Amino acid sequence: GDSVTQKQGQVTLSEDDFLFINCTYSTTTYPTLLWYVQYLGQGPQLLLKVTTANNKGISRGFEATYDKGTTSFHLQKASVQESDSAVYFCALVPNTNKVVFGTGTRLQVLP
Amino acid sequence: GGIITQTPKFLIGQEGQKLTLKCQQNFNHDTMYWYRQDSGKGLRLIYYSITENDLQKGDLSEGYDASREKKSSFSLTVTSAQKNEMAVFLCASSIRQQDTQYFGPGTRLLVL
Repeated sequence: GDSVTQKQGQVTLSEDDFLFINCTYSTTTYPTLLWYVQYLGQGPQLLLKVTTANNKGISRGFEATYDKGTTSFHLQKASVQESDSAVYFCALVPNTNKVVFGTGTRLQVLP
Repeated sequence: GGIITQTPKFLIGQEGQKLTLKCQQNFNHDTMYWYRQDSGKGLRLIYYSITENDLQKGDLSEGYDASREKKSSFSLTVTSAQKNEMAVFLCASSIRQQDTQYFGPGTRLLVL
């Protein structure tokens, strides 16, 4: 079936560090891929979205590239800030249309 | 823009109790969802509804009931709360299933 894997449960960085959050997926369809961000005490909100038509998404300094060859959709940011501390969810929307979420990666950015 | 409101924000229950969580959206979205969020397990779909009076089971529907009374509201019932249960229940809505989901702030459940 369709699945999303985020191997990193937690990532701790200092301000201005480079961020890389790993996400791989498995599906027999050509899905839309998404990253959601959940700040403390809030629900998840869409950070960026990539379809098969446009293989890269950029939002608020974050970027993710849809790599069909490696079935990956890693999230990157050149320089993180303390305000980026949150949980990040990778997700895919397969042809069945039921969104499949990864388990989330908690990012802690130290001042 | 729109907003999703979830009530109550915090819910403390007793083992075996029936508990109801409510969700309202003013996006005028057709599809609504209930997810359960446990630490380290991501978001698991309990129920969803693609239109008023429709109900579809998710992967975690056992132990829950849901009701889509009208387009703007979707309620979830925990039929028998389990002792020491602790989780966040998130409501979401989207225009259609394949579209971006917008989430509410969640209801935090603790069962004593």
